[in-house]
Amino acid sequence: QVHLQQSGPGLLRSSETLSLACTVSGGSLRNYYWSWVRQLPGKTLEWIGCIDYTGNTNYNPSLNSRVTISADTAKNQFSLRLTSVTTADTAVYYCARLRSGVDLDYWGQGTLVPVSS
Amino acid sequence: DIQMTQSPSSLSASAGDRVTIACRASQSIANYLNWYQQKPGKAPNLLIHAASSLQGGVPSRFSGSGSGTDFTLTISSLQPEDFATYYCQQSHDIPFTFGPGTKVDV
Repeated sequence: QVHLQQSGPGLLRSSETLSLACTVSGGSLRNYYWSWVRQLPGKTLEWIGCIDYTGNTNYNPSLNSRVTISADTAKNQFSLRLTSVTTADTAVYYCARLRSGVDLDYWGQGTLVPVSS
Repeated sequence: DIQMTQSPSSLSASAGDRVTIACRASQSIANYLNWYQQKPGKAPNLLIHAASSLQGGVPSRFSGSGSGTDFTLTISSLQPEDFATYYCQQSHDIPFTFGPGTKVDV
């Protein structure tokens, strides 16, 4: 059974950099894309981007200039970096497996990241 | 970006009811449409992929249909554990986008 465990600091201040990691157990990073999704307070879900084990990435253009997703196959882990955060980036951040590049079949537990001004 | 809309935004139902949720895409997405269930404080859970394929482990009372721009999620007989918010999501184009959600409550 695939399990995704998220880690990373919670509270941030405006202009700081958000860094989250997602460690995959019960499966390999190989042969799948891996995604980050966020949910703004009381809002729908927003797809941030994805990466495969070779490092190929796709990002949401709305965040493209501030987002970096990376993968570490030795640790079976992938990470999210979002620079210059503002209060508008306050959200619950999820990592997820992107199966066949089309659906999100396994999810992490979610990390609430409040950003203060 | 492809815009996803859902109707209704919320509905009240009782256990045993048949529930139908609609999802519409702003352009044709073939069958690149997935449905998720989310309960408060939890991550979304994949119910239906490719518009009509039931995800493993999901009860057969859930079904999906549609193609192109119009899709439907049906719960044939609502169970107490089905009270949640449901989201559709398109994976035809990047960026993937989600609908605004439909909250199903008592």
